[in-house]
Parts: sequence; C-alpha cells; structure tokens
Amino acid sequence: AQSVTQPDIHITVSEGASLELRCNYSYGATPYLFWYVQSPGQGLQLLLKYFSGDTLVQGIKGFEAEFKRSQSSFNLRKPSVHWSDAAEYFCAVGALSNYQLIWGAGTKLIIKP
Amino acid sequence: ETGVTQSPTHLIKTRGQQVTLRCSSQSGHNTVSWYQQALGQGPQFIFQYYREEENGRGNFPPRFSGLQFPNYSSELNVNALELDDSALYLCASSQGGPPNTGELFFGEGSRLTVL
Repeated sequence: AQSVTQPDIHITVSEGASLELRCNYSYGATPYLFWYVQSPGQGLQLLLKYFSGDTLVQGIKGFEAEFKRSQSSFNLRKPSVHWSDAAEYFCAVGALSNYQLIWGAGTKLIIKP
Repeated sequence: ETGVTQSPTHLIKTRGQQVTLRCSSQSGHNTVSWYQQALGQGPQFIFQYYREEENGRGNFPPRFSGLQFPNYSSELNVNALELDDSALYLCASSQGGPPNTGELFFGEGSRLTVL
C-alpha cells in the first residue's frame, strides 16, 4: 500500500539549533517527493520537491532535503532554525502524471527561545 | 497575481444537510485539486479537475462531487453530511495538467463543522 510516515508528531528545537524532520514512504512507482509547510492562518506552501537528479534538494527558507532510495526516506533539514519556522510540516509523495498526492500526518515544529 | 481563494472560511452544518464550497484558482492555472484535512492529520486527496473534467478521484464516496467552470474556478459539493465530514477542505491549483511538474498552490481552506 502507498503511504507516507512521519514518525514524529511534535519536535521541539531551540532557536539557532539544527533541525531534521523524518519522512519515510512506501510507493510502488518512481516517487516524486515534496515537503510542504502549514502555518496558522496560511495555506500550505511548498518548501521543496524532488523529481529526479541530484538527491540533495535545496528549497526555500534555507531548507534542504535528501532523497535516499535505499532507505525510502526524504528527510528535511535546516542548519539553524528561526522562531518563524514554528509550523506544521508535511511530507507528500505522488506520481508525475498527476497531483494525487499521498500525505504524511505532519510534524509540528515548536521553537524554544 | 491573485492567489487561491476559498469560501466560506468557516461554516457549521447539521447531519444530513448539503454543503457547497467554492474555490477560485490562481490566475493562469487550469487544474484544481480538492483535499480533506481532518484534525491532526495530513490532507487526503478527494478529486482533481482539469479543463472542466474530473481527472482523478481518491477514496471518497459519490456524495462528494465537484465541478470546474470555464474560468477554472471550482466547487466541492458534499451531500448527506456525516459527523466525520468535519474537516478543513483545501483547494489547490496548478498549471498545465498532467504530467505535473509544477507547484500546487493552496488556499487557506474552508473549515466545515458538522453537528
């Protein structure tokens, strides 16, 4: 079955510390992978996407993610978080032919001052 | 450039009623997708419209239906509302239809509460 697992429901990080959010997927075809962020009162915003090529992908707001096929993972990282990064982060997988994305349950990022 | 707008932002209905949610896609976008996001969960794909035709459907019953208009705006209709339909309904637009390599642009959603 196709699925996306985000093992951490909440993560608390001190401002200025590094961040890694985990994402594992199960998908029959070649996966196309996405990270979105959802802030209160705002729509989901694309942080980055992986379709092919270099497995280390750079996104907006200083985020990056690495696709590891052997581990079926697409973890999101940021070297130094800011208080404005507090939000919910969603990993999603889909096919190139459509946007019927399958989403993880999300990880809520809490920033400690 | 106008983003994706959804209306209403919040609404309350009772079981058995019907609801219509509306979405205006971003300028120039011809594909609209609808997602249901229950509390504490990720979005679930309901269906997608491309050039006024349904272009894919998730695991939702027929009482969830939709339309896309010539200006690419869209409606989501839900009949015979059930308590479990309480959720945030998200509309997303994109450009170009399949194969999609562009970005999904989301509205802020319509929060539906069914009592």
